[in-house]
Amino acid sequence: EAGVAQSPRYKIIEKRQSVAFWCNPISGHATLYWYQQILGQGPKLLIQFQNNGVVDDSQLPKDRFSAERLKGVDSTLKIQPAKLEDSAVYLCASSFTLAGGTDTQYFGPGTRLTVL
Amino acid sequence: AQSVTQLGSHVSVSEGALVLLRCNYSSSVPPYLFWYVQYPNQGLQLLLKYTSAATLVKGINGFEAEFKKSETSFHLTKPSAHMSDAAEYFCAVTSNTGNQFYFGTGTSLTVIP
Repeated sequence: EAGVAQSPRYKIIEKRQSVAFWCNPISGHATLYWYQQILGQGPKLLIQFQNNGVVDDSQLPKDRFSAERLKGVDSTLKIQPAKLEDSAVYLCASSFTLAGGTDTQYFGPGTRLTVL
Repeated sequence: AQSVTQLGSHVSVSEGALVLLRCNYSSSVPPYLFWYVQYPNQGLQLLLKYTSAATLVKGINGFEAEFKKSETSFHLTKPSAHMSDAAEYFCAVTSNTGNQFYFGTGTSLTVIP
């Protein structure tokens, strides 16, 4: 079974530029998560989708971050414009079930973003 | 609201010694608790999870954790450390709705040969 795919693996941009990350979850997984992991910290949930609907985006900085999962499969996370403090690893995860906290999340390898 | 606190950002143990990584949780509803491991430049991998069944949970690679409601703890242990256990370990909490998934700040485990 293929795992969660993310691209690119690394991205370096200058502040005020835009950037987009892509995630393809495990086939058949209904729930998709985007996390931000700043160096030395635990992952912070940015947004959670169930199929193509948003379940939770309370910690997403909506003035600059956006995410979509239009067909309920792959997803894109965008930052526009980027700030220095956005430098982090962006992790995508997916789980099978439509609801419930017991299901295992499977993580992709992450995209390391450096904002100069 | 839920949160987890991991005591000790760095833990060092000798190879073959007991591993104990501490996690305390705060939750207004019955929690579901998880331990994840992260190896360098990789994503997180689930070690084990507590979902209100048995309080002693066994996971992969010889790890286990015990849910203690009276102490609001979910510490991770392994009887004998192996060099391959060196990694970052994260405790996480959520509720039965699956929303609001919170990770701790992580504990870096070093295994000394």
